[in-house]
Amino acid sequence: QSVLTQPPSASGTPGQSVSISCSGSSSNIGSHSVNWYQQVPGTAPKLLISNNNRRPSGVPDRFSGSKSGTSASLAISGLQSGDEADYHCATWDGSLNAWVFGGGTKVTVL
Amino acid sequence: EVQLLESGGGLVQPGGSLRLSCAASGFTFDNYAMAWVRQAPGKGLEWVSAISGSGGTTWYVDSVRGRFTISRDNSKNTLHLQLISLRAEDTAMYFCAKYTMPSGGTLGDFWGQGTQVTVSS
Repeated sequence: QSVLTQPPSASGTPGQSVSISCSGSSSNIGSHSVNWYQQVPGTAPKLLISNNNRRPSGVPDRFSGSKSGTSASLAISGLQSGDEADYHCATWDGSLNAWVFGGGTKVTVL
Repeated sequence: EVQLLESGGGLVQPGGSLRLSCAASGFTFDNYAMAWVRQAPGKGLEWVSAISGSGGTTWYVDSVRGRFTISRDNSKNTLHLQLISLRAEDTAMYFCAKYTMPSGGTLGDFWGQGTQVTVSS
């Protein structure tokens, strides 16, 4: 059971928008910034969003992150077939003294 | 270009040991903390351990503390993870990942391709 809670799946048709939630607690999301990673099955994760809402160089602005209280969200607009992947949220947990991840959300483009 | 290349994984019996390595290039290695993150088959990511850029500070997830030891050789730009007393639940792909600061910052601005550890009799 992951410390951060994500829905196992999300889907949309090309061009639509999809939002993925990540729920935590005061010791993790409530106190620290959230990162999001994209992982195509069989490959390494890739940093997609850092510090709640910052996109590393090369990440399209179709991807955006936000945080409020003890929850965070990743939004994907203008969904494309290449966005099919698993998406993971992560942050530091001050009570566990460890980085914690969500269980991952599989995004399917219908 | 930043590159991280893991090695040392394999099939090991329960109770056995392995030493994983991650060869880094394309950046000033000792300026950045490094981490190991694992992923069991069909499961999510799990942070395992991290080490500061100088090697002076280490962190572990509770489930591996006392069994795994993280270290780094800054003269050889290499990160290591010594695994002992291995259990079936340690079976996973092990990734090395770079942080953005000497003592932490953002985890995983770069990742290796991973090395597979399988614990089975």
